[in-house]
Amino acid sequence: AQSVTQLDSQVPVFEEAPVELRCNYSSSVSVYLFWYVQYPNQGLQLLLKYLSGSTLVKGINGFEAEFNKSQTSFHLRKPSVHISDTAEYFCAVIGDSGNTPLVFGKGTRLSVIA
Amino acid sequence: EAQVTQNPRYLITVTGKKLTVTCSQNMNHEYMSWYRQDPGLGLRQIYYSMNVEVTDKGDVPEGYKVSRKEKRNFPLILESPSPNQTSLYFCASTWFRSSPLHFGNGTRLTVT
Repeated sequence: AQSVTQLDSQVPVFEEAPVELRCNYSSSVSVYLFWYVQYPNQGLQLLLKYLSGSTLVKGINGFEAEFNKSQTSFHLRKPSVHISDTAEYFCAVIGDSGNTPLVFGKGTRLSVIA
Repeated sequence: EAQVTQNPRYLITVTGKKLTVTCSQNMNHEYMSWYRQDPGLGLRQIYYSMNVEVTDKGDVPEGYKVSRKEKRNFPLILESPSPNQTSLYFCASTWFRSSPLHFGNGTRLTVT
């Protein structure tokens, strides 16, 4: 079975500063990885995904993430955040075979301060 | 517009009064799933369905039922709600397991 650990429950950051939201996973098989964002009073929407190929994945709104197999990590980064990036961010993992379910981390609340 | 529609958005009920939260998708997705979101616990899967008439338990199925009689609909049924089922519920759908989920806007349920 897969598991996901988001190392920070809350991350405050000043506007225009860079940010990194950390995600580590464990799995006995190869995985697919996702980052979702949840704005207040909304459902989750996909930021980016890693299925295979290049380990650096670019997503919407200027976010990117790097898959590191040796460190079993999939950290999310943005070089310069905006107030509108204030939201909750979820990392998720699913095994690439079998019938294992998609597993979500507990979320990281990003607060961008003006 | 491609979307997952949940109803109602907000629901307040009393212990023991049966309720149904509806979920419908217009993308012809085979896979549908229900999650509950609680502070500090993230999203936990309640039930999922790989196709019509095929459903299976997720991580927290106790106290919930689902059905998948047609491809587009996947209702969540609480036969006898209890206060510990007070939560924010999301329905989601997708084509296959490696494709991203499309989420509804959520149903905030309060059981008193």
